[in-house]
Amino acid sequence: EVHLVESGGGFVQPGGSLRLSCAASGFTFSSYTMGWVRQAPGKGLEWVSDISGSGDATYYADSVKGRFTISRDNSKDTLNLQMNSLRAEDTALYYCAKAHQPIGSAYDIWGQGTVVTVSS
Amino acid sequence: DIQMTQSPSSLSASVGDRVTITCRASQGISNYLAWYQQKPGKVPKLLIYAASTLQSGVPSRFSGSGSGTGFTLTISSLQPEDVATYYCQNYNRAPLTFGGGTKVQIK
Repeated sequence: EVHLVESGGGFVQPGGSLRLSCAASGFTFSSYTMGWVRQAPGKGLEWVSDISGSGDATYYADSVKGRFTISRDNSKDTLNLQMNSLRAEDTALYYCAKAHQPIGSAYDIWGQGTVVTVSS
Repeated sequence: DIQMTQSPSSLSASVGDRVTITCRASQGISNYLAWYQQKPGKVPKLLIYAASTLQSGVPSRFSGSGSGTGFTLTISSLQPEDVATYYCQNYNRAPLTFGGGTKVQIK
């Protein structure tokens, strides 16, 4: 069975950093684009970032570009999101998601999410 | 960047009603459009991809149509378990924007 499990969320002050991780199982991790999607309390879904299966191509929302870095370790079936210079507006539930097809696709599998709270 | 605009933002309908949600892209995205269902407190679930292809296991009362800039999600006969917020998403090219969501309730 395909599983995604996020970790690394927590409480951080503005300007601080956090590193989220997502452990994948049940599929050939290196074959699929992976992404991060966030949802602020009571709000809609916001796409954050994507990374290709090989890790060669990365994409970011304008709201996080230059502050967040997506990466993956295909030897450990793990997806990461390094978040720096955090702001109050980054407070959200962060989901890890798997692309439905290897390249350029919707997300068919989602993790349960990890909560990030940015506050002084 | 491509903006995705959903309408209505919320609706209330009776069990058995036909429900239609619209999603409009600010630029043409061919058929690179997905629909998701998110029930309260739950993880989003993929319903439809490629604008009209039903994801495995999704009830046949859900259908999608459209191409280019205009898309629709239709629930042919609304059921109590369909109470949720529905989102469209462009995955033609980054940024992979979501629509603002449509909250569906039972009247």
